[in-house]
Amino acid sequence: GQNIDQPTEMTATEGAIVQINCTYQTSGFNGLFWYQQHAGEAPTFLSYNVLDGLEEKGRFSSFLSRSKGYSYLLLKELQMKDSASYLCAVKDSNYQLIWGAGTKLIIKP
Amino acid sequence: IAGITQAPTSQILAAGRRMTLRCTQDMRHNAMYWYRQDLGLGLRLIHYSNTAGTTGKGEVPDGYSVSRANTDDFPLTLASAVPSQTSVYFCASSPTGDFTGELFFGEGSRLTVL
Repeated sequence: GQNIDQPTEMTATEGAIVQINCTYQTSGFNGLFWYQQHAGEAPTFLSYNVLDGLEEKGRFSSFLSRSKGYSYLLLKELQMKDSASYLCAVKDSNYQLIWGAGTKLIIKP
Repeated sequence: IAGITQAPTSQILAAGRRMTLRCTQDMRHNAMYWYRQDLGLGLRLIHYSNTAGTTGKGEVPDGYSVSRANTDDFPLTLASAVPSQTSVYFCASSPTGDFTGELFFGEGSRLTVL
């Protein structure tokens, strides 16, 4: 079966750095997405990785290792507004999008 | 209208009733999707449409139907609602139908079936 694993919840301190991991077992791989979802709101796109390595976009970076079936989202200089759920999704060989259950990130002052 | 609009925002429905969730986009995207989001689970695809006039079944299509008469609208119908269909429903769109780019989501419709 296809599976995306993410921690259910993480807590971090304002101003700090946090890494949210995502491991996947899917039928093939054609890209990995990260989305941010604030409570009661719609998911919004953060990043897309299809090749190995680190993609940096401001305070957010996303890393991919296809050989390990692993990705992480790195958030730097955490702000209170970063409190949200972070969703990992993998596009498989059939171009279907498989979603993880999401990681709820709590930022404390 | 900017982006994707869903209606209603929330609804309480008696079991057995028929319900249509509306979704309209103004981005001229070819592909549209309906997902449901339940606590502890990832987003699950109900139905999709890669272009106007075509539709396809997703992961959890039973009890739901869709139509795509034009590019902008993609309504989701529950013919006879059951309590297990209590969920938050998200409509989404993308320029093409193979998840090449990002998905743009509506604000969601929270449905409670009693």
